[in-house]
Amino acid sequence: TQLLEQSPQFLSIQEGENLTVYCNSSSVFSSLQWYRQEPGEGPVLLVTVVTGGEVKKLKRLTFQFGDARKDSSLHITAAQPGDTGLYLCAGTSGTYKYIFGTGTRLKVLA
Amino acid sequence: NAGVTQTPKFRVLKTGQSMTLLCAQDMNHEYMYWYRQDPGMGLRLIHYSVGEGTTAKGEVPDGYNVSRLKKQNFLLGLESAAPSQTSVYFCASSQTLMESSYEQYFGPGTRLTVT
Repeated sequence: TQLLEQSPQFLSIQEGENLTVYCNSSSVFSSLQWYRQEPGEGPVLLVTVVTGGEVKKLKRLTFQFGDARKDSSLHITAAQPGDTGLYLCAGTSGTYKYIFGTGTRLKVLA
Repeated sequence: NAGVTQTPKFRVLKTGQSMTLLCAQDMNHEYMYWYRQDPGMGLRLIHYSVGEGTTAKGEVPDGYNVSRLKKQNFLLGLESAAPSQTSVYFCASSQTLMESSYEQYFGPGTRLTVT
C-alpha cells in the first residue's frame, strides 16, 4: 500500500517568515501534485511535478520533486495570512488514481 | 461555468438510514471520483469511474455504492448509514494534464453526520 506522509502536521508562523512542508513516501511516483484547501471548500491544484529533481515556482511558493521521485517539498517565502490553509500532496504511479498525503495545516498570523 | 457541484451541502442521518449524494460536472471530464476526508487522514478514495457506465472500488469502498449513468453525474449511495461514515465527502473530476498526470477539480464537499 502506498502512503504519503506529510510533515509537519500543523504549523503556525508569523507573517514574513519562511517555511517548508515535506511529503515523503517509500514508493516511487510518476507525478506528484500539491493542493491547497481552505475551510468549507474542496482542494485546489497548485502544481504538478513529473521529473525527478524538478523545481517549480509559483510566486512565493517553490515546489521540488525528489531525485528518486519518492518525496517532495513545498517552500513558502515571506508567508502571508492569505497562505493560511490545508496543504495536501498527492501522488500517482501513472494511473488516474491519486494517493493523498495526510495534510499540513498552516496558519499565518498577521 | 459551475465546475463540480455537490448536493446536499449538509446532512444529518440516523444510524441505518440511507441517502444518496449527487455530484455533477459540466467540464465533459471522463474520470470522476468520490473521496472522504477525516481529520488527520487526508483524502481517501471511496469509488471512482473512468467513464459513463463504469465504476470501480477505491481504497475504502465498504458501505458505499456508486453509479454513473450519465457522463456528467456520479452518485454515491449509503444503504445503511453508520456513525463511522460521519465525514466530509468530496467529489472530483479530472482530465489529462500531460502523460501520467491528471488535474483533479473538486466540488465544495458534503458534510455528513450519522448519529
